[in-house]
Amino acid sequence: SAVISQKPSRDICQRGTSLTIQCQVDSQVTMMFWYRQQPGQSLTLIATANQGSEATYESGFVIDKFPISRPNLTFSTLTVSNMSPEDSSIYLCSVEGFRDYGNIQYFGAGTRLSVL
Amino acid sequence: EDKVVQSPLSLVVHEGDTVTLNCSYEVTNFRSLLWYKQEKKAPTFLFMLTSSGIEKKSGRLSSILDKKELFSILNITATQTGDSAIYLCARNSGGSNYKLTFGKGTLLTVNP
Repeated sequence: SAVISQKPSRDICQRGTSLTIQCQVDSQVTMMFWYRQQPGQSLTLIATANQGSEATYESGFVIDKFPISRPNLTFSTLTVSNMSPEDSSIYLCSVEGFRDYGNIQYFGAGTRLSVL
Repeated sequence: EDKVVQSPLSLVVHEGDTVTLNCSYEVTNFRSLLWYKQEKKAPTFLFMLTSSGIEKKSGRLSSILDKKELFSILNITATQTGDSAIYLCARNSGGSNYKLTFGKGTLLTVNP
């Protein structure tokens, strides 16, 4: 299984500022994913980030609000821009993996973001 | 519609009880169904199911898939306080991006 490190683990930010979350994996992976988990809700996919191409965003998420970088096969960043209290969530990155003859995803420990 | 529905949303039991968690999905394209356990923040992988009727088992946990009726169950026998967590199921619709669609989860609380 992949070991995924996410930084920061938590942060408290002011409205209107931006925060960049880093995701580092211990092996090369083609696909990395960014999720949001709002309080009391399940995981919602923000975007899929493949190395060497633009991230693919899900409905309801736009690049201007959540720019993503994927400079190499072991690293990605997600920026939450111009934050508002509604952006208070846990943000998780995940990477593709292979178990039991099929594709799964392994998750990082997440970043708990509070916006005041 | 691309929806995954879990029930119950929350459950409180005593140590030693057996619990059954449910997951139904609505989709025409299907590759696999996954179960995760989420304690604190990071979901950890439990099972991946691709074929109907074949039980996956790991210790006190087991899971099975019914592709005709579009549901899966996760059983936990002889529950322990360490089983307290959110249990998430997710559907993988296949294709080139391995996208997972998650249900809202079941919050399981096991009291001593």
